[in-house]
Amino acid sequence: KQEVTQIPAALSVPEGENLVLNCSFTDSAIYNLQWFRQDPGKGLTSLLLIQSSQREQTSGRLNASLDKSSGRSTLYIAASQPGDSATYLCAVWIDSGYALNFGKGTSLLVTP
Amino acid sequence: DTEVTQTPKHLVMGMTNKKSLKCEQHMGHRAMYWYKQKAKKPPELMFVYSYEKLSINESVPSRFSPECPNSSLLNLHLHALQPEDSALYLCASSEKVGETYEQYFGPGTRLTVT
Repeated sequence: KQEVTQIPAALSVPEGENLVLNCSFTDSAIYNLQWFRQDPGKGLTSLLLIQSSQREQTSGRLNASLDKSSGRSTLYIAASQPGDSATYLCAVWIDSGYALNFGKGTSLLVTP
Repeated sequence: DTEVTQTPKHLVMGMTNKKSLKCEQHMGHRAMYWYKQKAKKPPELMFVYSYEKLSINESVPSRFSPECPNSSLLNLHLHALQPEDSALYLCASSEKVGETYEQYFGPGTRLTVT
């Protein structure tokens, strides 16, 4: 079974810092990897999707990379803001392409 | 419109009640999903519908009964639930992007079983 691990589990940084969230997966036979943001008690907002043939995707201050061979992805957040405080979830598509396997998430707190 | 809607937002029910959760999308997606999420845990897949037919059931207890009346609508019927079933229930749909699928999630229904 595909195992997805996210490190760190929690992170607290002062506003303005650049930060990196890590995601690793055990089986490199994935269709794609998706990063989500979740605010407390809310649903999931898709941030970035990287197809298996791609190396990275960018959206605003967010950049996600994918290294399939090593089973790793990173989410880079530039110039962090208090509004970035949330839980960030990494998820990979299993081979069937009909389900996501989620990591446990990284809880991010950006302090003013 | 890239929106998945879910109703109700909150639901409190007793263990003998029967209730239903509703999910709707008008993006033309042919795959729809139910996930269950406990506090501080990742979402867990419950059911997958593909072209209005149930394709995956992740060994979910029969007190949860999914239904897909049409390609835009997904229901989850609840009966004789237990307090441990209290959770955030998330609906999602997916579309093909290149050779893969991107999934969109609704805001969830917060369920409390008393």
